[in-house]
Amino acid sequence: QSVLTQPPSASGTPGQGVIISCSGSTSNIGRHYVYWYQHLPGTAPKLLISWTNQRPSGVPDRFSGSKSGTSASLAISGLRSGDEADYYCSSWDTSLSAWVFGGGTKLTVL
Amino acid sequence: QVQLVESGGGVVQPGTSLRLSCVTSGFAFSTYIMHWVRQAPGKGLEWVGLMSGDGTDKKFANSVKGRFTISRDNSKNTLYLEMNGLRHEDTAVYFCARNGEGDLGQGTLVTVSS
Repeated sequence: QSVLTQPPSASGTPGQGVIISCSGSTSNIGRHYVYWYQHLPGTAPKLLISWTNQRPSGVPDRFSGSKSGTSASLAISGLRSGDEADYYCSSWDTSLSAWVFGGGTKLTVL
Repeated sequence: QVQLVESGGGVVQPGTSLRLSCVTSGFAFSTYIMHWVRQAPGKGLEWVGLMSGDGTDKKFANSVKGRFTISRDNSKNTLYLEMNGLRHEDTAVYFCARNGEGDLGQGTLVTVSS
């Protein structure tokens, strides 16, 4: 199983907000930056959040990242049908000397 | 702007070798640790390995250790992934990524099939 733990699924209705969690440990999220990726079917994963809470150029401010202790969160506001995708969190893990990922959360916009 | 362009993927038989390339531009390549990440069909993202900016340090995931190696040519702003002893389970889209910034390329598909 994945080093970082994400819920397998999340859902919301258009216009609503949703929060996707990512749980780790003191070896990864607790001491390193967190990154979030959006993966739409048939495309390459897209970087949504870097440095825990920074949006790369072109990413709407509806997407925001944060962390507290050994957990991180991706918040999406004003849900749109185009937000339906798989979302992955990631971080460096000092104990494993590896870049680790969550198993992904499939977001459904109802 | 920053570009990461992978190439070299294809269909290969188990046990054979393949070399992937990642040509970069738009940033100071030699100053960045670079990673390879892969995604098997229908699966999540998996880290493959990394190389330091000066090429002196490398780390690999246990799943590829001893079979894959990474190299780079800083004069060509290019990162390589040499894959040996390929297995069916290595079938995936392979991405290069920039450490710290987290951006990925578009990927190149490697299919290991007999």
